[in-house]
Amino acid sequence: GAGVSQSPSNKVTEKGKDVELRCDPISGHTALYWYRQSLGQGLEFLIYFQGNSAPDKSGLPSDRFSAERTGGSVSTLTIQRTQQEDSAVYLCASSLPRRSYNEQFFGPGTRLTVL
Amino acid sequence: KNEVEQSPQNLTAQEGEFITINCSYSVGISALHWLQQHPGGGIVSLFMLSSGKKKHGRLIATINIQEKHSSLHITASHPRDSAVYICAVLSGSARQLTFGSGTQLTVLP
Repeated sequence: GAGVSQSPSNKVTEKGKDVELRCDPISGHTALYWYRQSLGQGLEFLIYFQGNSAPDKSGLPSDRFSAERTGGSVSTLTIQRTQQEDSAVYLCASSLPRRSYNEQFFGPGTRLTVL
Repeated sequence: KNEVEQSPQNLTAQEGEFITINCSYSVGISALHWLQQHPGGGIVSLFMLSSGKKKHGRLIATINIQEKHSSLHITASHPRDSAVYICAVLSGSARQLTFGSGTQLTVLP
């Protein structure tokens, strides 16, 4: 498809388990972002990848959160030892790299529920 | 104080009404997004603007850089416009967006 895709769409896990969330950006978009939207809260930035540069991890809430981007395309957000407060919708977005204010295109999100 | 403030938080309108949602921000920005979030959670980018005004169908977005203010207008509103509308800014050298808390719009038939 032409848009940003994410998988799974829904994930239910038990407290303490690790989860992996996947994002496939739009082909050719070298900038990739992860955001989180907790219930009743606004969206918050987690991490940003731009090409081969070191990622901006300034939004990650704890060291249980990490993300990788392989081959400049697909990204995986990993949450280790999940906690109930990690329950949220995790959104991925991508954009073109060349200008500082390129429009971001969002994926449908992964709804994570930690029991 | 949040960097991005939206008003109103909730808005209920009758079908056909003209709607305005406001966004004020306190930092210098390079661009501003208006996003629409459907009840299922998907987010669609409606506009990205750094100056002036943009129009798409019944939607109009304006921005006043000097006043650090943007508005999203919906003309001839329809129940299918019911959604959360989110203002987000791209500031300074940052590449990530800072989001407002959103405006829940409900358009009644």
